Amino acid sequence: SAVISQKPSRDICQRGTSLTIQCQVDSQVTMMFWYRQQPGQSLTLIATANQGSEATYESGFVIDKFPISRPNLTFSTLTVSNLSPEDSSIYLCSVAAGGGGDTQYFGPGTRLTVL
Amino acid sequence: GENVEQHPSTLSVQEGDSAVIKCTYSDSASNYFPWYKQELGKRPQLIIDIRSNVGEKKDQRIAVTLNKTAKHFSLHITETQPEDSAVYFCAASIGNQFYFGTGTSLTVIP
Repeated sequence: SAVISQKPSRDICQRGTSLTIQCQVDSQVTMMFWYRQQPGQSLTLIATANQGSEATYESGFVIDKFPISRPNLTFSTLTVSNLSPEDSSIYLCSVAAGGGGDTQYFGPGTRLTVL
Repeated sequence: GENVEQHPSTLSVQEGDSAVIKCTYSDSASNYFPWYKQELGKRPQLIIDIRSNVGEKKDQRIAVTLNKTAKHFSLHITETQPEDSAVYFCAASIGNQFYFGTGTSLTVIP
């Protein structure tokens, strides 16, 4: 399995500001994913990030609100823009790895609180 | 798109008893079914998975069964221990797209 780290682990932000979350993997991976997990809820996919192409966003998520960068095969960032209290959540990155290339492994998550 | 339903939402068992969590899916194209365990404040951890060409898979106290015809799969934990207490998520995958169930909060009572 891949070793995945995220920064920051948690943050408290003011309404209207932005937060950029970094995801670093210890090996090269083609596909990285960004999820949101609201308190007590399941995991909701925000977007899929492939190196060298634009991220693919799921229904209900737009690039202006959640811009993603994928500059190389080991790194990605997710920015949550124009923050509102409704954005308070845990944001997790994951990577597709494993023998079949389809198993997903998750980073430790970033806990965002918006005041 | 795919719809994954998971039951029960909460489950309490006595230590040493078995626990069963069930999931159903809607899209017959789903071909990979992982299960994740998430302890409080931690990341989801893959605990077992099964592919559509297999009916059952076991790893020590954990087993997963898949019924493709009925489109359901189940997680079985035997001889439960307090450290099994966590939230468990099932998922169904089409390609690299994962669709997660709503989670089951398992409590093992010592």
